[in-house]
This record gives sequence, C-alpha cells and structure tokens, in this order.
Amino acid sequence: DSGVTQTPKHLITATGQRVTLRCSPRSGDLSVYWYQQSLDQGLQFLIQYYNGEERAKGNILERFSAQQFPDLHSELNLSSLELGDSALYFCASSVGRESSYEQYFGPGTRLTVT
Amino acid sequence: GENVEQHPSTLSVQEGDSAVIKCTYSDSASNYFPWYKQELGKGPQLIIDIRSNVGEKKDQRIAVTLNKTAKHFSLHITETQPEDSAVYFCAASNEYGGSQGNLIFGKGTKLSVKP
Repeated sequence: DSGVTQTPKHLITATGQRVTLRCSPRSGDLSVYWYQQSLDQGLQFLIQYYNGEERAKGNILERFSAQQFPDLHSELNLSSLELGDSALYFCASSVGRESSYEQYFGPGTRLTVT
Repeated sequence: GENVEQHPSTLSVQEGDSAVIKCTYSDSASNYFPWYKQELGKGPQLIIDIRSNVGEKKDQRIAVTLNKTAKHFSLHITETQPEDSAVYFCAASNEYGGSQGNLIFGKGTKLSVKP
C-alpha cells in the first residue's frame, strides 16, 4: 500500500459526459501528479500540482482539467468524454516539487466510456 | 523532448535465473531514472531508482546500472521468484527541464518467472 488513495476504483459512463476522479496524496506529500495509462500510449504524464499550484503540464487535453485543494487532495475533471478516453488514470504523490523526488502511485481509477 | 525505449517487451525466465531489462533515453540532460513494478490490477510500485551522479545501485536482489555516456540504464533481478512476475517500467526525467515534473516512461516489460 503506497498511502495514495484514489476514488472511485471503477467508473463507467457514456460519451459526452463529465466525470471527476479524486486523489488523496500520502501524508506529508505536497506534489500530486496525474497519469493516464492506455494500451497504445502507455503511461503518460498529464499534469502536476505542488502545494495547490499547477507546476507542470504534459499531454493533457483541453477537455481535461485538474486542481489541488488546500487539504492537498486533488481532482481530475474529464469532460465531453470520448471512447478514446477509456483508460486507467493514476495519481501519484511526492514530497517535493522536482520530478527527481520519488513518486508513489495510487491504485488507479479505471474509466470506461461507452 | 525525452524519449525512452525499453527492451525486451516480454521476458520469460526460469525461477532462480537472472533477468535483465534495458532502457535507453534520448535527452542527455535527464538525471533521474526510477524503475516501477506493476502487478495486475494495481498501480505502479517504485522498486529502485538511480540518479546521474551514481553508476550503480543495489537493493537485495535488485540492481540498477547507469551508463550516462551511452545513455542507457538497466534493471537486474537475480534469483528470480514467481512473485517477481509483473510488468516493469523504466522512466527518465530532467528535473531542470521545461516540463519539470515530467517522468517519461518506457513501454514496459512483461516478466514471467516460471516455477
């Protein structure tokens, strides 16, 4: 158990809908990262927040947005969902800002768009 | 940007044998190289990492080597056990690079250890 929690574990929704994925980092960690894992694209970095502020952006679509709250939990919002958005979404956390701090992954949310 | 190639994509070994997984990276400025193990239905688990000021690091049956000149790094697992069966991912990042928080992952190696 990494100490990172994610909810829900599974999510099934229809095209065009909007969903929110939630992540709680390990105690003491200030950075939260979101990743997407699909069979064809592998593990891809989406976005990083550090202590409430956006710090780095990867291959995140404009339909996707995230935020980190004062209690350091984070939410990833996916809107206007398409079939291709079906994937595993992981949250990771680390104590520092830089990517060289160890990142610990949560169990993931499996999103299925029908 | 950074690109990480990982080989082989699948690896089957007999219990007790050694397993080696290799990765190459393209950005010479990359300076942090973690390895993750992912079991079915679980999130990636950090198993070992190495920074660019170190050539080798060992933790019990797991070791990682880094060759900065050739831009490649490898994971070595000795005395493999059935519970080592999983998908292993290498990654690279440049903490001083433009995308700062960005770990770039290889495509993964599915390791099967046969009893």
